[in-house]
Amino acid sequence: GAGVSQSPRYKVAKRGQDVALRCDPISGHVSLFWYQQALGQGPEFLTYFQNEAQLDKSGLPSDRFFAERPEGSVSTLKIQRTQQEDSAVYLCASRVREGQETQYFGPGTRLLVL
Amino acid sequence: SQELEQSPQSLIVQEGKNLTINCTSSKTLYGLYWYKQKYGEGLIFLMMLQKGGEEKSHEKITAKLDEKKQQSSLHITASQPSHAGIYLCGATDIPRLGTYKYIFGTGTRLKVLA
Repeated sequence: GAGVSQSPRYKVAKRGQDVALRCDPISGHVSLFWYQQALGQGPEFLTYFQNEAQLDKSGLPSDRFFAERPEGSVSTLKIQRTQQEDSAVYLCASRVREGQETQYFGPGTRLLVL
Repeated sequence: SQELEQSPQSLIVQEGKNLTINCTSSKTLYGLYWYKQKYGEGLIFLMMLQKGGEEKSHEKITAKLDEKKQQSSLHITASQPSHAGIYLCGATDIPRLGTYKYIFGTGTRLKVLA
């Protein structure tokens, strides 16, 4: 595709609801990243995939957060039993391969938990 | 862990004026990235610097990395309203291409008055 796309762009959830955020990386990109960006802050690393393998999930805030990329392309970030502190913009980025530094970011999903 | 501090936090300039944004690291940088973010959009890659003393330019934007590789500056010449947005620096402190653990500064919010 032309760029990284994410859906939905906006999501309002009631506290306790489960949500699923989708990321479509640039076609052929091996590396995929998820970040969380709180209001007025820079993005914070959540997790990293190389193809379908999740190589690092150390940034996930709690066990309510789960990410997958089963076929090495589309990725889903799932948040169970959402809490108000989960409200943030969730950014996805992809990179051509390991060894290629430039990350290309999607527009993000803005999550608001009421 | 590495931290990136950006200054100033926000900046308002008159169209046509020059400006500089700084990014300072607590550790030696092995890859320094500048991104621009507009509200509701993802991060747009501007430039990457790796070598001490390196300088890169794109249109009216110039980025430099100091010799000690702990500070970078982004300079905009003859600013225009289209330059408005949030400028973020990102970095890794691991001296190997292809690392995935990136950190970001909190951003500098730039407004350009027409």
